[in-house]
Amino acid sequence: DQQVKQNSPSLSVQEGRISILNCDYTNSMFDYFLWYKKYPAEGPTFLISISSIKDKNEDGRFTVFLNKSAKHLSLHIVPSQPGDSAVYFCAASDRGSRLTFGEGTQLTVNP
Amino acid sequence: DSGVTQTPKHLITATGQRVTLRCSPRSGDLSVYWYQQSLDQGLQFLIQYYNGEERAKGNILERFSAQQFPDLHSELNLSSLELGDSALYFCASSVGLRGGVTDTQYFGPGTRLTVL
Repeated sequence: DQQVKQNSPSLSVQEGRISILNCDYTNSMFDYFLWYKKYPAEGPTFLISISSIKDKNEDGRFTVFLNKSAKHLSLHIVPSQPGDSAVYFCAASDRGSRLTFGEGTQLTVNP
Repeated sequence: DSGVTQTPKHLITATGQRVTLRCSPRSGDLSVYWYQQSLDQGLQFLIQYYNGEERAKGNILERFSAQQFPDLHSELNLSSLELGDSALYFCASSVGLRGGVTDTQYFGPGTRLTVL
């Protein structure tokens, strides 16, 4: 039972354009959502998070949007840079300590 | 550098063997989490320890066990290894008990286990 799904295994965008990564979840008990970025041979790095009481959180070039009714969240990166090329994981928490991760989306930003 | 260290970086062993993976959390962090990432899959939560005590358990096999020592480092023991146990094993740490938004989990670089 995949409670957090990232349906796009890969995404390719041009430098300077917007990258939009999507994530869907099924568990209504999830109340915190996070995005992690992962480079090869490294562990995931925390990027940005959002509580279920909000619908948007912004941090520099990164914005996360949460649509609770649709059980959908997205990460927007504007403008995209080649250094953003990495695997992005969506994760969710249900008031507990564990994180439930999606399968990841490989983002490639072309110069 | 997240401040979380894991050893060894790579481990190659045979089926039926037993291995121990080690994790040192960031200074000041009391919680340690273990995750498994198999090929083309997301990270699967295995187990959490907080200040030496087990706090949460995920999809951890009975052949696997973990512990957290008084100095807060943690070890994940994998026994009777099978081919399907080949994966990346990540350790994460956080300050408090709850590893959610307000208590960010920081990940180590992982240990790549290959079972032949």
